[in-house]
Amino acid sequence: QKEVEQDPGPLSVPEGAIVSLNCTYSNSAFQYFMWYRQYSRKGPELLMYTYSSGNKEDGRFTAQVDKSSKYISLFIRDSQPSDSATYLCAMRKGAQKLVFGQGTRLTINP
Amino acid sequence: SQTIHQWPATLVQPVGSPLSLECTVEGTSNPNLYWYRQAAGRGLQLLFYSVGIGQISSEVPQNLSASRPQDRQFILSSKKLLLSDSGFYLCAWGDRGTTNEKLFFGSGTQLSVL
Repeated sequence: QKEVEQDPGPLSVPEGAIVSLNCTYSNSAFQYFMWYRQYSRKGPELLMYTYSSGNKEDGRFTAQVDKSSKYISLFIRDSQPSDSATYLCAMRKGAQKLVFGQGTRLTINP
Repeated sequence: SQTIHQWPATLVQPVGSPLSLECTVEGTSNPNLYWYRQAAGRGLQLLFYSVGIGQISSEVPQNLSASRPQDRQFILSSKKLLLSDSGFYLCAWGDRGTTNEKLFFGSGTQLSVL
């Protein structure tokens, strides 16, 4: 079993829809959680990071962590075609190496 | 501000040829440095990481090696490329001075071994 599971998609939604991207994990010791966005043939860029359970909002993006369920989510409101990319979740315990999900490929259709 | 440079963007090499990919970081000192490989439709595989000059840790035994000759320079090498070395290679740096080290990636090198 992988430490981090992420549905690779692809996920296709119409412009303006609310998008929900999710990851589950098996290691209850994970403390730090991040979301990266990766455009085609580009390096991943850090989108959001959080430490505790609960929600963190940044513009149209909301990161949610539920440690009791070992489940994290990224919500995108008012989705735009420019949001079309692969989204990778990542997490770590303490100073250990970052563990990445496989990534979900998202397409926003105009 | 910090920037990371990685080159070349695209590389086509024959089997058995050598490889050298370079990565440099600007605007920070003593960063942690990483090499990842990403196969098509797959996640990120950590290949090497370095916490300082000359200090290299290998995560996966393979046909590749890494070196850190300067504080902000990280090089990925191979003496003889294999077909299986094809992939998207990413360099990243992390600020070890923070509790929650975040990684910042370069733009990547698409390597095709033919």
